[in-house]
Amino acid sequence: AQSVTQPDIHITVSEGASLELRCNYSYGATPYLFWYVQSPGQGLQLLLKYFSGDTLVQGIKGFEAEFKRSQSSFNLRKPSVHWSDAAEYFCAVGSGNTPLVFGKGTRLSVIA
Amino acid sequence: DTGVSQNPRHKITKRGQNVTFRCDPISEHNRLYWYRQTLGQGPEFLTYFQNEAQLEKSRLLSDRFSAERPKGSFSTLEIQRTEQGDSAMYLCASRADTSSSVFGPGTRLTVL
Repeated sequence: AQSVTQPDIHITVSEGASLELRCNYSYGATPYLFWYVQSPGQGLQLLLKYFSGDTLVQGIKGFEAEFKRSQSSFNLRKPSVHWSDAAEYFCAVGSGNTPLVFGKGTRLSVIA
Repeated sequence: DTGVSQNPRHKITKRGQNVTFRCDPISEHNRLYWYRQTLGQGPEFLTYFQNEAQLEKSRLLSDRFSAERPKGSFSTLEIQRTEQGDSAMYLCASRADTSSSVFGPGTRLTVL
C-alpha cells in the first residue's frame, strides 16, 4: 500500500537556525515525490518535486530536499529559517497520473 | 489565468442539507482532482477527472457525494444530506500531463 510518514507532528526552531523535516514513503513503483506548504486557511503551494535524476533538488524559498532510495526518504531542508516559513508542510508521493498520497503534515513554528 | 479558483471559500450548512462546490482549474490543465482535508490530517483523495471523464473514485466518496466536470472545464462536487462528519476543507487541484498539481485555496465546509 502507498503511504507517507512524517514522524514529526510539530517542530519549533529559532529564526536563523537550520531546519530538516523528515519524510518516509512506501510506494510500489518508482515514486514521484513532492513537498507542499500550507499556510492557515489556505491551499497548498508546491515547494519542490523529484521525478528522476539528481537526488538533491532545489525548490522555492531556499528549500531543498534529498531523495534517498535506500532509506525510502525525502527529507526537506533549509539552512536558515525565516519567521515567514512558519506553516504546515506536507510530503506527498505519486507516480505519473495517479493521485497524490499525502503525509499527515509537520507544523513548523519559528521563534525569535 | 492566475491559478485554480474555488467557490465558495466557506460554507456553513445544517445537517441534512445539500451543498455544491465549484472548482475552476487552470485553463490548459486537462486533469482535475478533488481532495478532502480534515483537521490535523493531510489531504485525502476523493476523485479524479481527465477532461470530462471521471476516471477514479476513492472509497471515501460515499453515494452521497457526486462530482461532475461538464465539457472538461470547471468541476462541481455535490454532497447530499450532509452529515457532521462531512465538515472539512475540500481542495481542488489541476494539472497538465507533464506538470505538477496546482491546488486551489479550498472550500471550508462546516455542518452544524
